[in-house]
Amino acid sequence: EVHLVESGGGLVQPGRSLRLSCAGSGFTFDGYAMHWVRQPPGKGLEWVSGISWNGDGIGYADSVKGRFTISRDNAKNSLFLQMNNLRADDMAFYYCAKDRGMSLWFGEPFDSWGQGTLVTVAS
Amino acid sequence: DIQMTQSPSSLSASVGDRVSISCRASQSISSYVSWYQQTPGKAPNLLIFGASSLQSGVPSRFSGSGSGTDFSLTISSLQPEDFATYYCQQSYSSPTTFGQGTRLEIK
Repeated sequence: EVHLVESGGGLVQPGRSLRLSCAGSGFTFDGYAMHWVRQPPGKGLEWVSGISWNGDGIGYADSVKGRFTISRDNAKNSLFLQMNNLRADDMAFYYCAKDRGMSLWFGEPFDSWGQGTLVTVAS
Repeated sequence: DIQMTQSPSSLSASVGDRVSISCRASQSISSYVSWYQQTPGKAPNLLIFGASSLQSGVPSRFSGSGSGTDFSLTISSLQPEDFATYYCQQSYSSPTTFGQGTRLEIK
């Protein structure tokens, strides 16, 4: 069974940084693209960033481009999101999601999701 | 970016009812649509991909249809566990985008 567990969320001041992690198990981690999707409390879903199976393909939402960096360590079955210069509108639950395919650009859905980690940005 | 517009935004129905939720894309996206169910406090769960393919383990009362710009999710006979929020997603072009969600409530 696929299992994704996010960690690293918490309370951070505007302008500061935070690094999220996602540990994957129950599947061949290096065989799939992975994504981060966020959801402000009580609101809808927004794709944040994605990375192909080997890290060669990376994409970001315009809202986070230049501030967030996605990476993965396939040897440790882990996905990361480095978030810099955080703003109030970055406050949300951040979900790690597994792509059904290897590449970012093959039009596949997100077939497994973690339970999410909450990032709160406030002074 | 491709905009996905769901209708209605909320819907009240009873156990046993047949309900449909619509999703319209701002441009043609072939069949690159997925549907997710989210219950309060939980992560989204994939129901349908490729507009009409049922994800493994999802009950057959869920079905999807459409192509081009107009898509729909149908639940043939509502069960108590189906009262949740539903999202459509396009994966035709980057960035992938979601609809705003449809909240399905018990009447």
